[in-house]
Amino acid sequence: GAVVSQHPSRVICKSGTSVKIECRSLDFQATTMFWYRQFPKKSLMLMATSNEGSKATYEQGVEKDKFLINHASLTLSTLTVTSAHPEDSSFYICSASIIVTSTTADTQYFGPGTRLTVL
Amino acid sequence: GQSLEQPSEVTAVEGAIVQINCTYQTSGFYGLSWYQQHDGGAPTFLSYNALDGLEETGRFSSFLSRSDSYGYLLLQELQMKDSASYFCAETGFQKLVFGTGTRLLVSP
Repeated sequence: GAVVSQHPSRVICKSGTSVKIECRSLDFQATTMFWYRQFPKKSLMLMATSNEGSKATYEQGVEKDKFLINHASLTLSTLTVTSAHPEDSSFYICSASIIVTSTTADTQYFGPGTRLTVL
Repeated sequence: GQSLEQPSEVTAVEGAIVQINCTYQTSGFYGLSWYQQHDGGAPTFLSYNALDGLEETGRFSSFLSRSDSYGYLLLQELQMKDSASYFCAETGFQKLVFGTGTRLLVSP
């Protein structure tokens, strides 16, 4: 089946540093990848949609200069949290879409998530 | 704005049947999906309704009524491993909007 990996699974960093999270589709090419964040006991909130070779589309309220997204290839997207602060501590989850058409909903496959703790 | 409301928590015993409701306030999406998420894990896809009616997948069934802006996930023959959070999600082109989530606690 379609497998999505994330690295690292867990990261602890000091306030003010930047953290990069990788999302890879292991056995398929993903034209579109998505980044979500999830606070404890809360729902997943879409941060941005990333298409290979183009700029990411950010959801309202998400700072694009703080959460840098790069989708350099059909199997890799990265999220960089710049100048991280304690309020950025969260569970970050990526997903990859295996089929993109104009008339059907996509199937999204989720990575295992990255737990970010900013001290 | 878009919102999908779910009960925050549901409890049940092993072997029972439980229904998790999802009401929404948007329209124009392709269908309603359901995902399961264990603590600290990734959401896993359970079921999808593109059309009104019931979709059955093993112990799990999902229902959608667009006229009532309502859907539900039905879990039968509950097992302890079903204790998890369940999310409905409005499913569109290149977009998933998740519901508020329901935590299911299954007891012996």
